[in-house]
Amino acid sequence: GAVVSQHPSWVICKSGTSVKIECRSLDFQATTMFWYRQFPKQSLMLMATSNEGSKATYEQGVEKDKFLINHASLTLSTLTVTSAHPEDSSFYICSAEKPGTADSPLHFGNGTRLTVT
Amino acid sequence: EDQVTQSPEALRLQEGESSSLNCSYTVSGLRGLFWYRQDPGKGPEFLFTLYSAGEEKEKERLKATLTKKESFLHITAPKPEDSATYLCAVRDYGGSQGNLIFGKGTKLSVKP
Repeated sequence: GAVVSQHPSWVICKSGTSVKIECRSLDFQATTMFWYRQFPKQSLMLMATSNEGSKATYEQGVEKDKFLINHASLTLSTLTVTSAHPEDSSFYICSAEKPGTADSPLHFGNGTRLTVT
Repeated sequence: EDQVTQSPEALRLQEGESSSLNCSYTVSGLRGLFWYRQDPGKGPEFLFTLYSAGEEKEKERLKATLTKKESFLHITAPKPEDSATYLCAVRDYGGSQGNLIFGKGTKLSVKP
């Protein structure tokens, strides 16, 4: 069964508004979660690493003031896309790291399709 | 710079027609190579992890192999339900667990 849950699965918003996406680890506590973005026919690209109780680490080229990440508990990380624009339309996917499994695979949520009109 | 290239971009097979997908990679120090399956509108579903050249893993009709430069995902007698996009990703020793470098995937279509 799924070990990472993501919500919502899709969202449509108007340009200039903000959207929040939730990522939950279902049967373990995740000190670290990861947010990816996938454009059509492109690779999944890591956007940021979400650390429980501390600031997120953003990849080069990702605006931290635009993509706000909050990892307030050991089972929940949220990604807020602020002042969304049509170019932010994409498929956003989170994953979680199980503690003590440094070389095991990441398990991904089912993604959120964001469409900005 | 770490890089992953998958080929072909798309593959159409008849049911029962075996084939292979390729994943070529360049990485400073391979910590792991991962195969995932992704269905439309869904997140990637884990299939295999390979750690060292010569390693092989099997699951039902799928078999993954690894050399120092590439990995193959062999599909034996595929069925329509195997239709999906197959993603390859690498993790190197210089990055965190989450810093997977993904290829663009191979979209597999299996016709009955």
